[in-house]
Amino acid sequence: QKEVEQNSGPLSVPEGAIASLNCTYSDRGSQSFFWYRQYSGKSPELIMSIYSNGDKEDGRFTAQLNKASQYVSLLIRDSQPSDSATYLCAVRTDSNYQLIWGAGTKLIIKP
Amino acid sequence: GAVVSQHPSWVICKSGTSVKIECRSLDFQATTMFWYRQFPKQSLMLMATSNEGSKATYEQGVEKDKFLINHASLTLSTLTVTSAHPEDSSFYICSAREIGGRISGNTIYFGEGSWLTVV
Repeated sequence: QKEVEQNSGPLSVPEGAIASLNCTYSDRGSQSFFWYRQYSGKSPELIMSIYSNGDKEDGRFTAQLNKASQYVSLLIRDSQPSDSATYLCAVRTDSNYQLIWGAGTKLIIKP
Repeated sequence: GAVVSQHPSWVICKSGTSVKIECRSLDFQATTMFWYRQFPKQSLMLMATSNEGSKATYEQGVEKDKFLINHASLTLSTLTVTSAHPEDSSFYICSAREIGGRISGNTIYFGEGSWLTVV
């Protein structure tokens, strides 16, 4: 069974600090990796996508992928209270673009 | 960026009636659409994968006769909850993937979601 694991949290981070979110996956054949942010009662919103090993930066967000260790992480620099949300890790493993979802990590940024 | 529109945003229906939720890709053609259900404080649960012009593929445990999915065109998929019951009350979300990825790349984009309350 293909699985994506995340710590459910909540992860509490002071405003201005770096928030680090982690995700591991079971299928070594996974090709694409995504981080989505979901506010309570809203639909998921794509934050980052990453396809190759290493780091990918976009503004305050950095996605890190390590296929050998089968983990992907998301770093949020200069955390803001508006970053408080549930962050969902999703992995694509097949050609039909079906995503395998983690359960999400609830992030709380404390002013 | 790519936009996926879902309608209605929220709906209240009586137990035993049916309700239809629409999912439209506004600026790209979607060969595949996905339907999810999410209960409060729980993760997304994939219900079915819908490919244009063919029957939807349902996940284990999802009743295909209760949750009717129609993907009649490259920009529209519908989910009909038939004979709805209070336990069907949930947040239903669709997502879509573009053919060829010219506009949205390999990304899957989500609709805004539809809150269904069955009373």
